Amino acid sequence: DQQVKQNSPSLSVQEGRISILNCDYTNSMFDYFLWYKKYPAEGPTFLISISSIKDKNEDGRFTVFLNKSAKHLSLHIVPSQPGDSAVYFCAAQIYGGATNKLIFGTGTLLAVQP
Amino acid sequence: NAGVMQNPRHLVRRRGQEARLRCSPMKGHSHVYWYRQLPEEGLKFMVYLQKENIIDESGMPKERFSAEFPKEGPSILRIQQVVRGDSAAYFCASSPGPTSARLFSSYNEQFFGPGTRLTVL
Repeated sequence: DQQVKQNSPSLSVQEGRISILNCDYTNSMFDYFLWYKKYPAEGPTFLISISSIKDKNEDGRFTVFLNKSAKHLSLHIVPSQPGDSAVYFCAAQIYGGATNKLIFGTGTLLAVQP
Repeated sequence: NAGVMQNPRHLVRRRGQEARLRCSPMKGHSHVYWYRQLPEEGLKFMVYLQKENIIDESGMPKERFSAEFPKEGPSILRIQQVVRGDSAAYFCASSPGPTSARLFSSYNEQFFGPGTRLTVL
């Protein structure tokens, strides 16, 4: 049962344009969401997070939007840079629950073309 | 480097051997998590530990896998009698743990190590 879904395995964007990565979840108990970036042969690197009490969180070129009613979140990167090329994972968590485990999506490979 | 340390980075074992993966959390972090990434898949939670305690092992296979986080020293993920299907990247993450002082603070974010790539021949 895939509780966190990233339906686009890959995305190609021109440098300078906006990248939009999408994520859907099924468990309404999730109330904290995170985006990680991963280069080959490295561990995931934390990018940005959002709690369910917000619908938007911004950090520099990265903005995450949360639509609770649709159980959907998205990561916007603007402007996109070639160094942003990596796999992006969406993850969800039940904050303050008995466990802090993260449930990950399958990832989206972003390629930013110069 | 105060990041999460994992060793070895690469581990090759023959079927039936034991694999031991080590993880040293970030300084000041008392919570450790293990995740596994099979080829072409996302990361899957395995186990969540605090010092000397297993908090959640719901993602651990029932047999051959065990984990510990002793009072002193790194966390260890142990796989006995490895099979080819155990070949994967194993990632450790750490966090300082949730705090009741700040709702939805950044303190619950998990920081990952570089991973151990296990290959079973």
